[in-house]
Amino acid sequence: AQSVTQPDIHITVSEGASLELRCNYSYGATPYLFWYVQSPGQGLQLLLKYFSGDTLVQGIKGFEAEFKRSQSSFNLRKPSVHWSDAAEYFCAVVLSGNTPLVFGKGTRLSVIA
Amino acid sequence: SQTIHQWPATLVQPVGSPLSLECTVEGTSNPNLYWYRQAAGRGLQLLFYSVGIGQISSEVPQNLSASRPQDRQFILSSKKLLLSDSGFYLCAWSGLSEAFFGQGTRLTVV
Repeated sequence: AQSVTQPDIHITVSEGASLELRCNYSYGATPYLFWYVQSPGQGLQLLLKYFSGDTLVQGIKGFEAEFKRSQSSFNLRKPSVHWSDAAEYFCAVVLSGNTPLVFGKGTRLSVIA
Repeated sequence: SQTIHQWPATLVQPVGSPLSLECTVEGTSNPNLYWYRQAAGRGLQLLFYSVGIGQISSEVPQNLSASRPQDRQFILSSKKLLLSDSGFYLCAWSGLSEAFFGQGTRLTVV
């Protein structure tokens, strides 16, 4: 069955440390891939997206993600986390124009001093 | 530019009462529209999506329904709310390039 998996429910990192949030998908073809961030009680903001081409994509707020076809993964990274990065992060995929955008269950990021 | 309006921001409703949440989109035509529900620990659950006027696909059988009376209007409804309908509801529209989200409605059924 088609699915998006974020294996980490909650991650805590120290401010200034590096971050990697995992995302794996299970689709017959390579979908379009997205990472969104949600602050408490707010809607979702797009961090970055991958459609094709360079497998390392740069996003806003210093985030990047790497698409690895062999691993069906699209992990989100940031070299140095700031306290303001504490939020919920969602990986999402869409297969084609008329199929729905499907989200993983999210990873909550906490940042400690 | 594209914008999406969702209201109300918060809502407290008694069990058994009806529900109507409205979402409208500006700056695009024939968008794919979505209703998601977010409950604690369950991520974003797709409830309904629509690729055109009057075309609604339901992902999860439940106490809710959706309608799309106009190209850029998407409505989430219930005839009788249940306690389990409480949650954070998000409307979204998408093309292939990305999805845009409303600010959400916090629904509490009491």
